[in-house]
Amino acid sequence: SQTIHQWPATLVQPVGSPLSLECTVEGTSNPNLYWYRQAAGRGLQLLFYSVGIGQISSEVPQNLSASRPQDRQFILSSKKLLLSDSGFYLCAWRTTAYNSPLHFGNGTRLTVT
Amino acid sequence: DAKTTQPNSMESNEEEPVHLPCNHSTISGTDYIHWYRQLPSQGPEYVIHGLTSNVNNRMASLAIAEDRKSSTLILHRATLRDAAVYYCIVYSGGGADGLTFGKGTHLIIQP
Repeated sequence: SQTIHQWPATLVQPVGSPLSLECTVEGTSNPNLYWYRQAAGRGLQLLFYSVGIGQISSEVPQNLSASRPQDRQFILSSKKLLLSDSGFYLCAWRTTAYNSPLHFGNGTRLTVT
Repeated sequence: DAKTTQPNSMESNEEEPVHLPCNHSTISGTDYIHWYRQLPSQGPEYVIHGLTSNVNNRMASLAIAEDRKSSTLILHRATLRDAAVYYCIVYSGGGADGLTFGKGTHLIIQP
């Protein structure tokens, strides 16, 4: 069966520090991968998605970037965190089949201080 | 993707059925209706999806209006663990872009 791993679960970082969040998927090949963010009390905002290694589509201009160095690995990064980067970051995947559902990880709660 | 309208919150009693409504009047003929739910401090979880016919699975049932402009997610016997935010999403099915989540319905279950 397919599983998605996301780490760390929680993270507290000072303003101006770098960020690296990692997500891996097991049990499937060539998944579509997604990063979402949910600010406190807000809805889910799609940040990036990827259809293959090295292919990244950005939905919203951000202080963030994403990379996909391997087929089932998706990384969210920042060179210098802002206070507004605080939130709940969620990685998700789905197959390339038509109308396939999204499967989310357990998320990383990031607090920028 | 078509826009959806859901009540901000609903309250129900434990062990009673829950009917969560969703309006999607601009849905096109090939759009699917997806439902997800998000428990506190967790990522969203896929619940069910359908196109035209009513659908059932182990988690819930999805009733789709004949004109497809509305749908209802039915939890047959709510438990305290069903307290969550429920999202109704209309999705064209094709393409790799992610789903657009609205504010959803916050379902409160009273013991």
